[in-house]
Amino acid sequence: GAGVSQSPSNKVTEKGKDVELRCDPISGHTALYWYRQSLGQGLEFLIYFQGNSAPDKSGLPSDRFSAERTGGSVSTLTIQRTQQEDSAVYLCASSFFSGGYNEQFFGPGTRLTVL
Amino acid sequence: GDSVTQMEGPVTLSEEAFLTINCTYTATGYPSLFWYVQYPGEGLQLLLKATKADDKGSNKGFEATYRKETTSFHLEKGSVQVSDSAVYFCALGKETSGSRLTFGEGTQLTVNP
Repeated sequence: GAGVSQSPSNKVTEKGKDVELRCDPISGHTALYWYRQSLGQGLEFLIYFQGNSAPDKSGLPSDRFSAERTGGSVSTLTIQRTQQEDSAVYLCASSFFSGGYNEQFFGPGTRLTVL
Repeated sequence: GDSVTQMEGPVTLSEEAFLTINCTYTATGYPSLFWYVQYPGEGLQLLLKATKADDKGSNKGFEATYRKETTSFHLEKGSVQVSDSAVYFCALGKETSGSRLTFGEGTQLTVNP
């Protein structure tokens, strides 16, 4: 079956612009996670959803970052007024549910470059 | 807070050599431990996992044992192949944190023929 998909695969933007990153989880997966992979910070957690609710937003680096999930499926990560330090690969993962030891399946990521 | 520390890389080995990548963790509660692998140009994939102390995870010839007494989860393989060249990430997750993953820094492995 289809895996986790993310779009766009690459995004180049200018400092100060807003960007939206999209994640389509595996069908039936109720938990969805956003991570960021950057040279300086490694792989870091941003936010996770159980259904449409986000019980843990503690990893969002600033109030410029927000995310939503609709219909228990697609999620959008929005970065407002982008800065150069936002340049990274943004990874999305989904799992059957967030409890227990369910494997997280990762998407290919969106590479964001802020000029 | 919870954290994961991996041995510094990169690691370069010859084919058929023995591999160890060290991983130690700091966590409250009862974490599950994972090794993820990222092959060149591909996304992260789960390699193996262990959910409680003394469990051994294994897959594709790789093994790791959850050692609570030393808070470690070292990855081993008896005979590496060129196709094992990738970046390996140790990670922990806890049910009380929605199973969000905390990753180590990653170790780049290159296997030469």
